Amino acid sequence: EAGVAQSPRYKIIEKRQSVAFWCNPISGHATLYWYQQILGQGPKLLIQFQNNGVVDDSQLPKDRFSAERLKGVDSTLKIQPAKLEDSAVYLCASSSSQGNTEAFFGQGTRLTVV
Amino acid sequence: GNSVTQMEGPVTLSEEAFLTINCTYTATGYPSLFWYVQYPGEGLQLLLKATKADDKGSNKGFEATYRKETTSFHLEKGSVQVSDSAVYFCALLNNRAGTALIFGKGTTLSVSS
Repeated sequence: EAGVAQSPRYKIIEKRQSVAFWCNPISGHATLYWYQQILGQGPKLLIQFQNNGVVDDSQLPKDRFSAERLKGVDSTLKIQPAKLEDSAVYLCASSSSQGNTEAFFGQGTRLTVV
Repeated sequence: GNSVTQMEGPVTLSEEAFLTINCTYTATGYPSLFWYVQYPGEGLQLLLKATKADDKGSNKGFEATYRKETTSFHLEKGSVQVSDSAVYFCALLNNRAGTALIFGKGTTLSVSS
């Protein structure tokens, strides 16, 4: 079974530039999550989708971050404009249903904002 | 609110030593509890889980018991190996629809031969 795919693996941008990350969840998984993991901290939820609808985006900085999951499969997370404090690993995860006890994680995208 | 507190790392051990990584939680209701592991260069992987009080999760020689009375889920292994070197995250999931995993800060384990 293929896992959660993310790209790119690494990205370096200057502050005020924009960047986008892509995620392809495990086939058939209805629930998709984006987490931000700052160095030395645990992952923090940014947004949760159930199919193509948003379940929770309460911690998403909506003035600069946006995410979509068109057709309820792939998802993209965008930052525009980026700030230095956005430097982190962005993790995508999926599970077969909401509240399911196991979420599967991709390898993440490491973003460095300079 | 819901939160997870883990012991500060790094934890440095010799091969075959006993490992304990402490984890306590605050939650409304009765959450499910998890340990995830992140090996160097890899993504987060589920190590073990427990879904109700007094359940014991186990995998690859690691164990953790869900203790409601002390709100704890400490990770233990009787004899660590060099290959166990990784970052370990304790997490909880409030068992309601629309919730997501809440993670602790992670504990780095380094095992030397």
